[in-house]
Amino acid sequence: QVQVVESGGGVVQPGRSLRLSCAASGFSFSNYGMHWVRQAPGRGLEWVAVIWYDGSNKYYADSVKGRFTVSRDNSNNTMFLQMNSLRVEDTAIYYCVRTTGATGAWLPFDFWGQGTLVTVSS
Amino acid sequence: DIQMTQSPSTLSANVGDRVTITCRASQSFSNWLAWYQQKPGKAPRLLIYKTSTLESGVPSRFSGSASESGTEFTLTISSLQPDDFATYYCQQYNSYWTFGQGTKVEIK
Repeated sequence: QVQVVESGGGVVQPGRSLRLSCAASGFSFSNYGMHWVRQAPGRGLEWVAVIWYDGSNKYYADSVKGRFTVSRDNSNNTMFLQMNSLRVEDTAIYYCVRTTGATGAWLPFDFWGQGTLVTVSS
Repeated sequence: DIQMTQSPSTLSANVGDRVTITCRASQSFSNWLAWYQQKPGKAPRLLIYKTSTLESGVPSRFSGSASESGTEFTLTISSLQPDDFATYYCQQYNSYWTFGQGTKVEIK
């Protein structure tokens, strides 16, 4: 069955970096666009970043542009989110999410991981 | 950017009630709207995509529609069941991806 499992969350000080991973299984990972979506404690959902099936296109929310970088390793069915210059407001559960097709354009999100918690605090 | 304004933020209802949640977009677009259900401590689940298409396995008491203006979208639960008490989010995926603020459906 389709599974995406996030890892790499934890407590980090403001200004520091963290790298999240998303391990995918149960589907042809290299055929699907993938997203990161986050949810601050007790708050709503915020889209963070997307990467096309082949890594050829990447887009970011304005709130993370220039600080976060999404990448993928299709040979190991894994997606990454490199988060630099972290801020207190980046504190959230980060979800790895699959789209329903190869790109991200005009496609909803059909499978979500359980998320990994990132806490930015001094 | 397209902003999505969801209402109400909280909705109190009884089992068996007909429930309607609305999402208003800051600009019109066609079709590229989804609805998700999230229960406490769980990841969201896709219910409806392309405004009115039910995801596989989703009960038929859920339905989606849009106004002719293309700026108002509605999620309807025809007869609320105990398993439906949750928070619901709309999402536009016409231009990037934006979620509404969420509607918590709670027991009256």
